Amino acid sequence: AQSVTQLGSHVSVSEGALVLLRCNYSSSVPPYLFWYVQYPNQGLQLLLKYTSAATLVKGINGFEAEFKKSETSFHLTKPSAHMSDAAEYFCAVTVPYGQNFVFGPGTRLSVLP
Amino acid sequence: KAGVTQTPRYLIKTRGQQVTLSCSPISGHRSVSWYQQTPGQGLQFLFEYFSETQRNKGNFPGRFSGRQFSNSRSEMNVSTLELGDSALYLCASSLGGTGGIYEQYFGPGTRLTVT
Repeated sequence: AQSVTQLGSHVSVSEGALVLLRCNYSSSVPPYLFWYVQYPNQGLQLLLKYTSAATLVKGINGFEAEFKKSETSFHLTKPSAHMSDAAEYFCAVTVPYGQNFVFGPGTRLSVLP
Repeated sequence: KAGVTQTPRYLIKTRGQQVTLSCSPISGHRSVSWYQQTPGQGLQFLFEYFSETQRNKGNFPGRFSGRQFSNSRSEMNVSTLELGDSALYLCASSLGGTGGIYEQYFGPGTRLTVT
């Protein structure tokens, strides 16, 4: 079975500062990993995905994530935070031929002016 | 392409009643998954349907059920509602084949309030 942990339920950064949201996974087979963002009163939007190709994955809105097998991590970063990045971010894992996505508890990102 | 649509967007029900939520996937998508989102439990997987068959099921009581129609539209039903069923119910669609990984695309959700 797979699982996901996200360190920090709430992260605050200043506008223009680096954004780092942490995700660690557990999987008995090579995983596929995803980051989703959720704005208030909306569904989840896919930011980026790792599916065993390049370990550094670029997504929308300037976000990227790096898959590190040795650390079982898939942290999400953005060099410069924007006010519009304030939202909740979810890391998710699934496995090849699996159809069940397991989501982490989420990290709420606040961006301070 | 139109995105995933869910109806209704908001719903208020009384304890003991039953409710049906609807989800229309992206055209061409054959898999529909349902999730319950609450502040305390986060995103929890309910079940997944593919080609009208339930393919995966989460750890929810039998009061929660679903079905999928031949056009891939899906409905979720909750019987004998409890206060704890108040949540945002999210539907996600994907291509859903068995040969690869297909990211899920989410609808805006149905906000269910049980009083």
